[in-house]
Amino acid sequence: RKEVEQDPGPFNVPEGATVAFNCTYSNSASQSFFWYRQDCRKEPKLLMSVYSSGNEDGRFTAQLNRASQYISLLIRDSKLSDSATYLCVPDNYGQNFVFGPGTRLSVLP
Amino acid sequence: GAVVSQHPSWVICKSGTSVKIECRSLDFQATTMFWYRQFPKQSLMLMATSNEGSKATYEQGVEKDKFLINHASLTLSTLTVTSAHPEDSSFYICSARDRLAGVIYEQYFGPGTRLTVT
Repeated sequence: RKEVEQDPGPFNVPEGATVAFNCTYSNSASQSFFWYRQDCRKEPKLLMSVYSSGNEDGRFTAQLNRASQYISLLIRDSKLSDSATYLCVPDNYGQNFVFGPGTRLSVLP
Repeated sequence: GAVVSQHPSWVICKSGTSVKIECRSLDFQATTMFWYRQFPKQSLMLMATSNEGSKATYEQGVEKDKFLINHASLTLSTLTVTSAHPEDSSFYICSARDRLAGVIYEQYFGPGTRLTVT
């Protein structure tokens, strides 16, 4: 099983839609989880950190299910500017990050 | 806060030459920095973990003699691509962890360096 698995997409959604991405991870000992977004030809930018069961920040909600080893990201009221690749990253005891392929989102006008 | 800079942002060099890329944490100290490489339409691949004052830890398959890493201070790590070849052309990104972050393992990324070897 890969360390991090994400549906690569692309997810094409209209403006205003709600979209959710799932991410599964293999390291059951991971304690912290991060969602980064990466725009084309740019560096990843931290979107959200998750240390407990979930986190919410405005239109973005992350939910963690430790028993099933997956974490989701929900985006409500999608904006054109949300178009990016979303990367799910579980921590590895504060050591290196292992990035999955990410999920590509395109929000259409 | 938590700003990481990289220099240069892009570089074009001839095959066989060496290129040095700098990664700086501007407003925090980083005992650990990471170097990644990303090819088009692929995910970030960790190349090495750079620890201040000690040797870098390289991932499997990454040649340590080709990709020289120096982390001489708490705010600066450098990656030197020696004897660069066209297949080394890629997007190189560094990241850093705040030394004082404790159990918060967030990494802050630099803007990346786009290397083209002709």
